[in-house]
Amino acid sequence: QVQLQESGPGLVKPSGTLSLTCAVSGGSIVSFNWWSWVRQPPGKGLEWIGEIYHSGSTNYNPSLKSRVTMSADKSKNQFSLSLRSVTAADTAVYYCARGSETSTWIFDYWGQGTLITVSS
Amino acid sequence: QSALTQPASVSGSPGQSITISCTGTSSDVGAYNYVSWYQHHPGNAPKLMIYEVSNRPSGVSNRFSGSKSGDTASLTISGLQAEDEADYYCSSYTTSSTHVVFGGGTKLTVL
Repeated sequence: QVQLQESGPGLVKPSGTLSLTCAVSGGSIVSFNWWSWVRQPPGKGLEWIGEIYHSGSTNYNPSLKSRVTMSADKSKNQFSLSLRSVTAADTAVYYCARGSETSTWIFDYWGQGTLITVSS
Repeated sequence: QSALTQPASVSGSPGQSITISCTGTSSDVGAYNYVSWYQHHPGNAPKLMIYEVSNRPSGVSNRFSGSKSGDTASLTISGLQAEDEADYYCSSYTTSSTHVVFGGGTKLTVL
């Protein structure tokens, strides 16, 4: 059973950089899957942030592209998200998820999510 | 405002059936049979319940079914059980560069 677990700082200061890591167990990130980040601001719906393949190829949501960088660490079987110049609007629960082998937009496994608050 | 429109809440009694709608556009829901549904118990990881409009992953109860007509997809849960009480989100592949869009979520209350 594949499991994903997000980890991060919990609190980030405005204009700072949000950094999150998703540790994958029960499976390898070196697979035919793409690995995504999705977020949910308080009281709002889900928003896809972007995805990464184990080779390092990425696709980002155009609305966040200028501030987002994703990376993958095959040796640690994890992938990461970096979001720069954060504001209060970036306060959200951040989830990592696995795209299915046949369709990257079908997320067959998710992490429990981690709340990131942007505040001074 | 979410790209896909879902009712904020629905409710039903145990044993009844309920349907949750998910309305998009001809660029997402209406364009392809790539609608998915997720169940989310707060504090837990979301769970894939339906993919490609009407397919159930292994292990998902056949009380859950999906359909689509035009730009609107639907999730039906029959024989409601207390454990079905959760938030439900739809998603769809989109022809826009956003790649995938989600609904705002529907809170299901089992009375």
